[in-house]
Amino acid sequence: QQQVKQSPQSLIVQKGGISIINCAYENTAFDYFPWYQQFPGKGPALLIAIRPDVSEKKEGRFTISFNKSAKQFSLHIMDSQPGDSATYFCAARDQTGANNLFFGTGTRLTVIP
Amino acid sequence: GAVVSQHPSWVICKSGTSVKIECRSLDFQATTMFWYRQFPKQSLMLMATSNEGSKATYEQGVEKDKFLINHASLTLSTLTVTSAHPEDSSFYICSAIGGGIGNTIYFGEGSWLTVV
Repeated sequence: QQQVKQSPQSLIVQKGGISIINCAYENTAFDYFPWYQQFPGKGPALLIAIRPDVSEKKEGRFTISFNKSAKQFSLHIMDSQPGDSATYFCAARDQTGANNLFFGTGTRLTVIP
Repeated sequence: GAVVSQHPSWVICKSGTSVKIECRSLDFQATTMFWYRQFPKQSLMLMATSNEGSKATYEQGVEKDKFLINHASLTLSTLTVTSAHPEDSSFYICSAIGGGIGNTIYFGEGSWLTVV
């Protein structure tokens, strides 16, 4: 059973546009929600993370929006650049439990010049 | 920042042989390490959770006798793929977390295994 559902599977955005990736979860014990960026042949790199006590977190061009009641969170990439082309994974973790991450299925983002 | 190193990055082995992949936390003590497997264009699949000094906890469907995990110290965990077969070819990624809640999980760069 997929603990974290992610959409879309792939996304093509024009340079300068906004990329939006959505995730949803069911387990209310999750209390840490990171986003990872992965380039081909590389391990995932932490991009930005949020805890459910805030509704939004912004770091540079990357923003996480979090809706606790809907159990949804999303990644917004502003002013998308070709260098942002990668696969993005949302994840969720129950820090009081096993502490492992449950990953979404990934979104392959392509930013075209 | 914290760095997790994996070695080797690439390995090719013959079918039937065993291969060991190392995962090291370079500047922090990792009480827990995780091993993932990733097929092309797919998400990361958790294989096992490894706690220092104790036996690894394997996810359902992962053969513990085939994928031997040893977390002998607070900075090193190893994954040994025993009697490797071509279907074991995959991208293996480890991650590590320090003690206490609220700590970030850092990932290694991954290890490509090709079994011929």
